Amino acid sequence: DAGVTQSPTHLIKTRGQQVTLRCSPKSGHDTVSWYQQALGQGPQFIFQYYEEEERQRGNFPDRFSGHQFPNYSSELNVNALLLGDSALYLCASSFAELYNEQFFGPGTRLTVL
Amino acid sequence: GQQLNQSPQSMFIQEGEDVSMNCTSSSIFNTWLWYKQDPGEGPVLLIALYKAGELTSNGRLTAQFGITRKDSFLNISASIPSDVGIYFCAGENTGNQFYFGTGTSLTVIP
Repeated sequence: DAGVTQSPTHLIKTRGQQVTLRCSPKSGHDTVSWYQQALGQGPQFIFQYYEEEERQRGNFPDRFSGHQFPNYSSELNVNALLLGDSALYLCASSFAELYNEQFFGPGTRLTVL
Repeated sequence: GQQLNQSPQSMFIQEGEDVSMNCTSSSIFNTWLWYKQDPGEGPVLLIALYKAGELTSNGRLTAQFGITRKDSFLNISASIPSDVGIYFCAGENTGNQFYFGTGTSLTVIP
């Protein structure tokens, strides 16, 4: 049983560019959440998707957007990249009724130059 | 956003010792969770707490949901080298949002 997978593993972009990160949830999970983890910090909640809709959003600007597909996989898009967007981006999946019990993927390390 | 403060920030202990760390918040949470993160990996859920005063164990790990709903602690008994990592607390409020603490880095010396 595959756990949460994310791609790519690492990514280097320059300021102003756009990036798309991908996440496949654990088998059977229908809810996907995205987090940003800066170096030395705890993860910060970006948003959560369920039934292809954004169900909850953290304190992140509109440059951060997402999508969930019918197979429950998800994408995180970040436009107009800033140096401060450099971080580990984590995807977590869960069952909707057990949303507290999230399983995290290994993350995508984004570096903005 | 919500601020969760964890203490201590880092710990260096001998193998076999017990460990205690805690997490405090200025806000009330409905759920407290404890995660462990190893380098290059995502956090792994250790324990979930759903009721104020709840005490839950998972092997050598024990965690409690504070009575005020603004704090939680995690104890690790008889530490072993594989306990090394960063431990995060997280709280969830009625908005289905999760707030993570600043982390406690644990080093176990064999």
